[in-house]
Amino acid sequence: DVKVTQSSRYLVKRTGEKVFLECVQDMDHENMFWYRQDPGLGLRLIYFSYDVKMKEKGDIPEGYSVSREKKERFSLILESASTNQTSMYLCASSLGRGRQPQHFGDGTRLSIL
Amino acid sequence: AQKVTQAQTEISVVEKEDVTLDCVYETRDTTYYLFWYKQPPSGELVFLIRRNSFDEQNEISGRYSWNFQKSTSSFNFTITASQVVDSAVYFCALSAPEYGNKLVFGAGTILRVKS
Repeated sequence: DVKVTQSSRYLVKRTGEKVFLECVQDMDHENMFWYRQDPGLGLRLIYFSYDVKMKEKGDIPEGYSVSREKKERFSLILESASTNQTSMYLCASSLGRGRQPQHFGDGTRLSIL
Repeated sequence: AQKVTQAQTEISVVEKEDVTLDCVYETRDTTYYLFWYKQPPSGELVFLIRRNSFDEQNEISGRYSWNFQKSTSSFNFTITASQVVDSAVYFCALSAPEYGNKLVFGAGTILRVKS
């Protein structure tokens, strides 16, 4: 079974802090994704990566950056956390594009105070 | 315009009732893929099914069934004889070249099954 592991289930940070969310997958998937989930808005794509050291912006990249130094690890960085970034963050990976399903981690519920 | 519309925000049923979750999508592509995911209270999205645009056969898996109708751009999901464990948020998603072959999600439908 594919395992996508996010480093924290719950995280509380303060406004202005630099925040790192880590995601590791164990299936040698090329593609990795970061989403945020807010009530009534579904999942919105923040950033994704199709290969090591590659990254592409999703629909809502403002205020975020990512890092993919190794194939199995994809980090989401909040450069200077703000209260409107309080949300549930979900990481996913997939083997290919288009037809391949994405496999998700348990999510990180991030609160910015 | 919404690319994937799940018009039902929340549905409540009593155990053993059948329930259908609606999904309507938009794309100009002829080749695309549709997905359903389940998100239980624990938070992880669980992949349920993938359907490609050339396969309009309905699918049944246990108590779950899916009805894909290209003519109405719909991919509806029915749970027969619902159980409390079916309580979750259900997401419909679309992958199409028009959208960069990335998953586009609907807003989700909260299903509450009461005993």
